[in-house]
Parts: sequence; structure tokens; C-alpha cells
Amino acid sequence: ETGVTQSPTHLIKTRGQQVTLRCSSQSGHNTVSWYQQALGQGPQFIFQYYREEENGRGNFPPRFSGLQFPNYSSELNVNALELDDSALYLCASRIQTGEDTDTQYFGPGTRLTVL
Amino acid sequence: AQSVTQLDSHVSVSEGTPVLLRCNYSSSYSPSLFWYVQHPNKGLQLLLKYTSAATLVKGINGFEAEFKKSETSFHLTKPSAHMSDAAEYFCVVTPRGYNKLIFGAGTRLAVHP
Repeated sequence: ETGVTQSPTHLIKTRGQQVTLRCSSQSGHNTVSWYQQALGQGPQFIFQYYREEENGRGNFPPRFSGLQFPNYSSELNVNALELDDSALYLCASRIQTGEDTDTQYFGPGTRLTVL
Repeated sequence: AQSVTQLDSHVSVSEGTPVLLRCNYSSSYSPSLFWYVQHPNKGLQLLLKYTSAATLVKGINGFEAEFKKSETSFHLTKPSAHMSDAAEYFCVVTPRGYNKLIFGAGTRLAVHP
């Protein structure tokens, strides 16, 4: 088990609604990334936050947004939910400087279902 | 551009027999390579990683992988499969210094008694 936690575990929303997912980083990690894993696929990079700013983004529309807080915890917000947003959302944390900066440690994920 | 191809979507082995999960990568830069495992309804667990040190990398639970630059491969092996190894395995590449991990589509490993 990593020290990365996510909440909630499961969530059901309807199309057009908005959702907020939360992540608490592993102790000592100052960088957080979010990934979307659709059923039967590998995770896809959404974005990364460091020092409370987004510093990398994958091929996701602006209705996917995030925040990072001074304690390095993070939120993923998705507006105007679509059916295709149904997926497992994974949070990963890592350190930005020093050794082992490439290794990301994942939380258990939040399963989002959009009806 | 960076990409990962996992050559088998499903692999089935008998308990006690060797495991081979194949992965080829493409990277414009010197990459870091990883294998992650995902058990049902669980997050991703790091099995092992390659970051330019020894080409044969040992990981947890008896798994190992060999980085072959000439073949752009990073295959995962284990001498003897256990029932608990049944899971989804992802090969992952990241160009060193970049932000994101690039995942393969995954290989589902089934282990039969």
C-alpha cells in the first residue's frame, strides 16, 4: 500500500453534473498527477500539479481542471459530465527533485459512473 | 514521440510455470521504464523500474525485466507463477525529466491450478 489516499471510492453522477475528486499525497511528495482509466484500457495522463500550479497536461478538455493545496493534497474537478467520463480516476504522487523523481505512487482510485 | 506496445492482451499460464509478458517501447529520449500491476478493484502497484543503471532489473514478488535497447524491449518475467499473480500488468515509459507516464494497454495474466 502506498501512502496516497483518494476519496470517495465510488461516485454516481448524471450527465451534465459536476464532480470533485480528492487526493492526499504520500508524505514528502510535492507533485501530484491525475490519470483517467477507462474500462479495459491503460491509464491516460490528465494533468500534473507542482507548487499549486498545473505544469503538464494531457489531451483532455478544459472542463477537466484541478487544484493543489499548500499541504500538497489535490482535487480533480470535472464539469458538464459526459457518459464517456465514466472511468477509474487515479491520483499519483512523487517528489520533484532529488532521487527517484520518475517514480509515481498511485492511490486506489475513484470509480466514477455517469448515467 | 513516446509509446508503449504490450504484445499480448491476455496471457494464461499454469501455476508453477514461467511467466513472460512482452513490451516494446518507442522513445525519442533516454527513457525510464516501469512495470505496474493492478489487481481487481485496486490501484496500481509498482513492480520494478529501469532508469539507466543495470539492464536486468529485479522487482518485487520474484519478477524481473531486462532492458534491451537494440530491440527496444522491456519484457517482464517470473520463473514460477503463483495464483496470486493473476492481475493486469502495465508496461510504462516516461522520457526522463518529463511529467507524464505513458501506459501500454495492459496484459491480463491468468494463472490456472
